[in-house]
Amino acid sequence: AQSVTQPDIHITVSEGASLELRCNYSYGATPYLFWYVQSPGQGLQLLLKYFSGDTLVQGIKGFEAEFKRSQSSFNLRKPSVHWSDAAEYFCAVGDNDMRFGAGTRLTVKP
Amino acid sequence: EAGVAQSPRYKIIEKRQSVAFWCNPISGHATLYWYQQILGQGPKLLIQFQNNGVVDDSQLPKDRFSAERLKGVDSTLKIQPAKLEDSAVYLCASSRNGGGYEQYFGPGTRLTVT
Repeated sequence: AQSVTQPDIHITVSEGASLELRCNYSYGATPYLFWYVQSPGQGLQLLLKYFSGDTLVQGIKGFEAEFKRSQSSFNLRKPSVHWSDAAEYFCAVGDNDMRFGAGTRLTVKP
Repeated sequence: EAGVAQSPRYKIIEKRQSVAFWCNPISGHATLYWYQQILGQGPKLLIQFQNNGVVDDSQLPKDRFSAERLKGVDSTLKIQPAKLEDSAVYLCASSRNGGGYEQYFGPGTRLTVT
């Protein structure tokens, strides 16, 4: 069965510092992988997705993610975090039956 | 284009009462999803519609939850009777045609059962 693990429940970074959010998945075939962001009181917004091809995918708001099949990982990165990036981040896998991780809450220190 | 609309945004009810949520997907989107997001957890798929047919409702507690999508557009999700553990945010999402197409999420309905 497909599943997603986000090992970090909460991460705090300083504004301007780099960011990496971890995501590990379990999926029987070539996965469709997604990263979503959720601000307080808001729905989820898609940051980026991977279906096939180049394993480094670029998304909105300066985010990127790298698919590593050998490690079953799809980590999200950003070189310089802005205060407005503070939010909850969800990794998801699947197509019709999408499974979400439990999320990582990002706090940005001034 | 207009996004996914949901109403109400907030609802407080007592246990054993019934409640209904409404969702209007993005125009032209064939696939509609209902998710339950309990505080501190990721969204869990409850039911998926393709047009007005159910594709997946394996995680829907059918003894108390029901959903319909009349004419393949709007959808309602109902809980009857509600339990304390149903307190959550109920998210509606739509996509062009399921599969790997991007899902667009509404703002959600926050349900509190007392």
